[in-house]
Amino acid sequence: RKEVEQDPGPFNVPEGATVAFNCTYSNSASQSFFWYRQDCRKEPKLLMSVYSSGNEDGRFTAQLNRASQYISLLIRDSKLSDSATYLCVVNAGSGTYKYIFGTGTRLKVLA
Amino acid sequence: DTEVTQTPKHLVMGMTNKKSLKCEQHMGHRAMYWYKQKAKKPPELMFVYSYEKLSINESVPSRFSPECPNSSLLNLHLHALQPEDSALYLCASSPKDPSYEQYFGPGTRLTVT
Repeated sequence: RKEVEQDPGPFNVPEGATVAFNCTYSNSASQSFFWYRQDCRKEPKLLMSVYSSGNEDGRFTAQLNRASQYISLLIRDSKLSDSATYLCVVNAGSGTYKYIFGTGTRLKVLA
Repeated sequence: DTEVTQTPKHLVMGMTNKKSLKCEQHMGHRAMYWYKQKAKKPPELMFVYSYEKLSINESVPSRFSPECPNSSLLNLHLHALQPEDSALYLCASSPKDPSYEQYFGPGTRLTVT
């Protein structure tokens, strides 16, 4: 089993749709969780950190389920500019600087 | 300011060349990273420096040699690379607490001929 798993997609959705991505992780010692977006041939950019209580930033909502070891990202009212690859990133454990990346989920928002 | 800078943006080198990639951050972050990313793959960790000391080496071949001259700078020295080393090389930094997020530079796109 991979340490961090994501559905690679692609997810093709119309503008205005709501889309959800899931990510599962295998290390129960992981303490920190993040979603990054990466545009083609660009660097990953932090979208949001994921907290135990869940968090929201505009159209984006992230949730963490420690018991089932998965995190999710919900995008509401999709825009064309949301087209990108979304990377789930998990810290390998308390006190370590090692971050594990999922393979990424490709999203394409269609006009 | 959450900026990490990298130079050069593009680099083409022959297999016998020696070159260096540079990375700089002025956010006071105490951890700095080198990643390698191939097309359609996630970034792959190479090295981590924390407090200017090498703390993680992910079994990277010795033709890649990292250096951290001070807390703001990170170099990656390249020597005798192979064509399969062609990739996007990303630098990142994070605060002293490893529970915090990383910030990435724009990367150096390396082509080995």
